Amino acid sequence: DADVTQTPRNRITKTGKRIMLECSQTKGHDRMYWYRQDPGLGLRLIYYSFDVKDINKGEISDGYSVSRQAQAKFSLSLESAIPNQTALYFCATGGRDNYGYTFGSGTRLTVV
Amino acid sequence: AQKVTQAQTEISVVEKEDVTLDCVYETRDTTYYLFWYKQPPSGELVFLIRRNSFDEQNEISGRYSWNFQKSTSSFNFTITASQVVDSAVYFCALSEVYNYGQNFVFGPGTRLSVLP
Repeated sequence: DADVTQTPRNRITKTGKRIMLECSQTKGHDRMYWYRQDPGLGLRLIYYSFDVKDINKGEISDGYSVSRQAQAKFSLSLESAIPNQTALYFCATGGRDNYGYTFGSGTRLTVV
Repeated sequence: AQKVTQAQTEISVVEKEDVTLDCVYETRDTTYYLFWYKQPPSGELVFLIRRNSFDEQNEISGRYSWNFQKSTSSFNFTITASQVVDSAVYFCALSEVYNYGQNFVFGPGTRLSVLP
């Protein structure tokens, strides 16, 4: 099993719909992150969490919300999806050792 | 504010050529980490290397080598004798450490195409 699992892998949804992307990890890491990737822009941070009771906005949090249900689970919600939220979304985890992130395989979201 | 620049948007080389991917970063911190990640066509992100700001020694791992120069704020990545399987998007990233936290900033990526 993967260390960081994202579901779904691909999703097409309609404008205005609510959608949740889920992430679970078996690394035992405290820290979890959600990024979105757009061509030519690299990865941009949406939200991050350093533990279950800690949630922080990233660079581009507008239009998104998150929930840290447990140390191992961190979900990203789009309350009312819009077409410019079409992107590749990555969940990542990190320990306090600064050895870098472990990324999930990504969720390709298309909003039509 | 921290920033990572990868000026090369796309590079194409012929197999067996050497290629260098450039990365320039900005930070006001004295303690930071630099990373390279590879994203093959399948889409996942693969960790390649981490370097901390106090270690300027160059590193070699097989056909991969990294040149870290604090004087020019650069952390360049060279692939020697490139292969088709090296075709991917490569991201350079910077992590500043404050309190006990850690936040990454990624460059826009360089798409490398290695032609047979």
